[in-house]
Amino acid sequence: AQSVTQLDSQVPVFEEAPVELRCNYSSSVSVYLFWYVQYPNQGLQLLLKYLSGSTLVESINGFEAEFNKSQTSFHLRKPSVHISDTAEYFCADRYNFGNEKLTFGTGTRLTIIP
Amino acid sequence: GAVVSQHPSRVICKSGTSVKIECRSLDFQATTMFWYRQFPKQSLMLMATSNEGSKATYEQGVEKDKFLINHASLTLSTLTVTSAHPEDSSFYICSARRGQFGNNSPLHFGNGTRLTVT
Repeated sequence: AQSVTQLDSQVPVFEEAPVELRCNYSSSVSVYLFWYVQYPNQGLQLLLKYLSGSTLVESINGFEAEFNKSQTSFHLRKPSVHISDTAEYFCADRYNFGNEKLTFGTGTRLTIIP
Repeated sequence: GAVVSQHPSRVICKSGTSVKIECRSLDFQATTMFWYRQFPKQSLMLMATSNEGSKATYEQGVEKDKFLINHASLTLSTLTVTSAHPEDSSFYICSARRGQFGNNSPLHFGNGTRLTVT
């Protein structure tokens, strides 16, 4: 069975500091991995995804994540955060055979401190 | 701009009444839509997969008679919470995939509906 673990429920970071949000997956077969961001009272927006190819994927707003098969991780990083990055971040995976269901982690609330 | 529209964004209803939530794909056809439920400070839990023209597939533990799903067209799926009770109060989010099953298109999510049952 698939599962996605986000170890940190809350991460406070000072503005312009770097941040890493951790995500580990447990599937023993190929997966697709995603990071979604949720702003208050809104749905989810796709931040970035790993499907295949380069293990380092980037978003348009400065976030990046690296797929690490040996460590079964897909941590999200940003070298310098901004106040507007305050949100809930969800890691998700999708078993790439037979269905399109996303399995979400429990989320990490990123709070940027001015 | 938004490609999946969810309505209403907020609804308050009395215990025992039914509430319908709509999910529309705005500029694409979605043969499959997904309904999620999110409790405060928790992750999204998949409730059901809505398939156009056929019955929805419910996840284990989700009562299909309580959460009625109708996917009558390629751009609209509805979730009806029947005989709502306070424990049904939650944030409901729909999502839809642009394109055919098996491609790599991401899911597009609606902005969610916050249901409060008094």
